[in-house]
Amino acid sequence: DAGVIQSPRHEVTEMGQEVTLRCKPISGHNSLFWYRQTMMRGLELLIYFNNNVPIDDSGMPEDRFSAKMPNASFSTLKIQPSEPRDSAVYFCASSLWAGRSQNTEAFFGQGTRLTVV
Amino acid sequence: AQKITQTQPGMFVQEKEAVTLDCTYDTSDPSYGLFWYKQPSSGEMIFLIYQGSYDQQNATEGRYSLNFQKARKSANLVISASQLGDSAMYFCAMRATGNQFYFGTGTSLTVIP
Repeated sequence: DAGVIQSPRHEVTEMGQEVTLRCKPISGHNSLFWYRQTMMRGLELLIYFNNNVPIDDSGMPEDRFSAKMPNASFSTLKIQPSEPRDSAVYFCASSLWAGRSQNTEAFFGQGTRLTVV
Repeated sequence: AQKITQTQPGMFVQEKEAVTLDCTYDTSDPSYGLFWYKQPSSGEMIFLIYQGSYDQQNATEGRYSLNFQKARKSANLVISASQLGDSAMYFCAMRATGNQFYFGTGTSLTVIP
């Protein structure tokens, strides 16, 4: 398996523009997580999905952020409009979730480094 | 509430020595998993080792071992025979019945030649 695939790897955009980050999880994984990493705030969970259904989006900073998972093999994180404070590395991770089982690790993508100028 | 605490922002270790990175956790769930990840300067997150709450023995993976003390709610990572390539950020994480992973703030490890 190719692992979790994120695109683009780097994105530079102007303030006010729409940004879409993409993620392809590992085949067979039924949980998907979006994280944001900054020096100031560390690794923050933005939202996660189980079986394509959003379970907890309490980490989404504001309405400018939205995430979708239309099928088991694809998810997007959209920021509209983008602001300089959104600059960060955004990670997508996937995992196998089987009810009460907590013994499967999350596999991370390479991340998307977003810079909003 | 679920919480992971890493109190060492930075650590230094001499090459070939062992080092312990601290991690404490808080959860009321009886069943949970504890994980350690490594993030080198290149940025990727690499899974290192896992410990289940019901596991009787401490987990080991090569030079990595997890010192699990359930009563103290600690899950320290021990790296033996440190190598220059071990210089990285290390994150402790917990997964409980809510499915999501809770991460600590990380410890930056520098291996000195």
